[in-house]
Formats: sequence, structure tokens, C-alpha cells
Amino acid sequence: EPEVTQTPSHQVTQMGQEVILRCVPISNHLYFYWYRQILGQKVEFLVSFYNNEISEKSEIFDDQFSVERPDGSNFTLKIRSTKLEDSAMYFCASSEIPGGGETQYFGPGTRLLVL
Amino acid sequence: GEDVEQSLFLSVREGDSSVINCTYTDSSSTYLYWYKQEPGAGLQLLTYIFSNMDMKQDQRLTVLLNKKDKHLSLRIADTQTGDSAIYFCAERDKGRRALTFGSGTRLQVQP
Repeated sequence: EPEVTQTPSHQVTQMGQEVILRCVPISNHLYFYWYRQILGQKVEFLVSFYNNEISEKSEIFDDQFSVERPDGSNFTLKIRSTKLEDSAMYFCASSEIPGGGETQYFGPGTRLLVL
Repeated sequence: GEDVEQSLFLSVREGDSSVINCTYTDSSSTYLYWYKQEPGAGLQLLTYIFSNMDMKQDQRLTVLLNKKDKHLSLRIADTQTGDSAIYFCAERDKGRRALTFGSGTRLQVQP
């Protein structure tokens, strides 16, 4: 069964450093998403991406964040200058063209720790 | 804004039925989802229901939707130890991409 994959599974970085989290969505999906879950808190939506542009973003997704589809298979989330409060589990998700329930399928997550 | 609430913990015995409840505030929620998260793993989609439905059954899973009370439930029949996990309710407005999640209910199944 096709699945969303994410790398790395864990990342530790120093405050102020840039990090890039990588995702490979399911191959025939066209919508891509990033969510995050700070320890002990709810899963929060960050951004959705379709047709090479951001289709929706939350208040969390400020200028420190950016997303990119650098090739036909990868989808990345970049945090330019990490802060302590960026420590969280980051989930990538993908879905097909809207229709029906437009279910989003999630990857296993990248646990980011900012020191 | 939208809010989704769940109870934090549920403990059942193996073989019993589990009922996990969820309430939401957004009256324009069109799609409602249940996800399962096992330790160290991602979010696994279990099932979903459209707001124009009252019930959906999928093998051991039954989803009930009460639109008037904005209440969603997930019933797991014949609960097994492998069902132990955190279960997340999520909703999505038809006009938006974002899912809004509840805080998750930790289901513990005792042998």
C-alpha cells in the first residue's frame, strides 16, 4: 500500500540554525500538507500546497517557514532560523484531487529538537 | 475559530466495545475523521464521515454523527490489545484544506 515517507525521523539542531524536513508524498497525490504537534498539545495545521503554490496557511506559518516541491517526488519544509519553541513532531500529509472525503494520509513524522 | 474536544483517556477490557467521543464547534464542518496513532508512529486514517450522514460502519468500527449536538463517536467492537493507541478526531470545513484536530483519546485495552 502506498504511503507517505519522511526523513529524517529525528533531527537535533541548535537555535538559530536552518533545518529542512523532507517528505515524499504518495505518488498520484496532488495536495501536500505540513502539520506539527508540540509535545502534549494538539496536532496543528501549518500549510497546504497545490500546483506549486501555497493554497492555505495558518498563523503559525510565518516568514520563518517555507515549503517547496523541488522535484517530482519530494516536498520540503524549511525553517530558516529555528527557535526553541519550534521543537515538535512535524507531520507531512498528502491527498488526491478534492472529491469525496479528500482524505489526508500522514507520514510517520520528523521529531525536531531545538537546543 | 473551530475547536474539537475529546476526553483524554479510556480504559476497556479486551473483548468489550470501546466508545470514543468527540465534540466540535464549527457548524460548517463537512468532513469528520478518525485517526489512530500508535506509539512512535504517524497518524493512520481509520475512517471518515460526511456531515450529510448519520452513521458509517466499517468492519469493527462504527461512526455515529449527531449534527444537532455536534457530537461524533467512534465505536470499536470486540476491542483487542492491538487497538491500544491514541485516537484523534478531526474536522474539516468544505471550503478549507486544514484539518482541525482534537487532543486525542488514549485507549488502553486490558487483557
